[in-house]
Amino acid sequence: GEDVEQSLFLSVREGDSSVINCTYTDSSSTYLYWYKQEPGAGLQLLTYIFSNMDMKQDQRLTVLLNKKDKHLSLRIADTQTGDSAIYFCAEIYSGNTPLVFGKGTRLSVIA
Amino acid sequence: EAGVAQSPRYKIIEKRQSVAFWCNPISGHATLYWYQQILGQGPKLLIQFQNNGVVDDSQLPKDRFSAERLKGVDSTLKIQPAKLEDSAVYLCASSRDYEQYFGPGTRLTVT
Repeated sequence: GEDVEQSLFLSVREGDSSVINCTYTDSSSTYLYWYKQEPGAGLQLLTYIFSNMDMKQDQRLTVLLNKKDKHLSLRIADTQTGDSAIYFCAEIYSGNTPLVFGKGTRLSVIA
Repeated sequence: EAGVAQSPRYKIIEKRQSVAFWCNPISGHATLYWYQQILGQGPKLLIQFQNNGVVDDSQLPKDRFSAERLKGVDSTLKIQPAKLEDSAVYLCASSRDYEQYFGPGTRLTVT
């Protein structure tokens, strides 16, 4: 069965880069996602990458995908206090199918 | 474009009572999902609709949970009777192709 693993906590200083890691087990995943959840809020779609890509950059966000190792990472450049939240990695097998989530990584940004 | 709307935002009930949640997806999104997010975990699918038909309800506890999507737009999720372990955030999402967007969720506390 599918499984998505993430480390639970990450603490960084304001202005530093954050790197959040995720591993997944199902090689048939077609898209991989990063969602952000702030306290008391729903999930905000940050970015996603198609499985035939290695990297995607979107302003301060860089997604790296290593299909051989089934490893996905999210790098946040110049991390700000507003980036403090829980970040979820998720995978999908085809369009309009359910997301499979990891348990989330809680990012704390220290001023 | 308006996002996914959910109500109520919070609900506190006693065990064995019933409760209903409402969701209005993004206009034009044929696929609608209900996820359950227990504290400290990632969301897990309860049920998926395509228009007003059920695509996947394999994880829905059908002895107590029910859901419908009349006319292929709004959806309601009901729990009757509630148990203590149903305390969670219930998230509604809608999608078109590979982008899935979430509502703010309903936080249910069962006492």
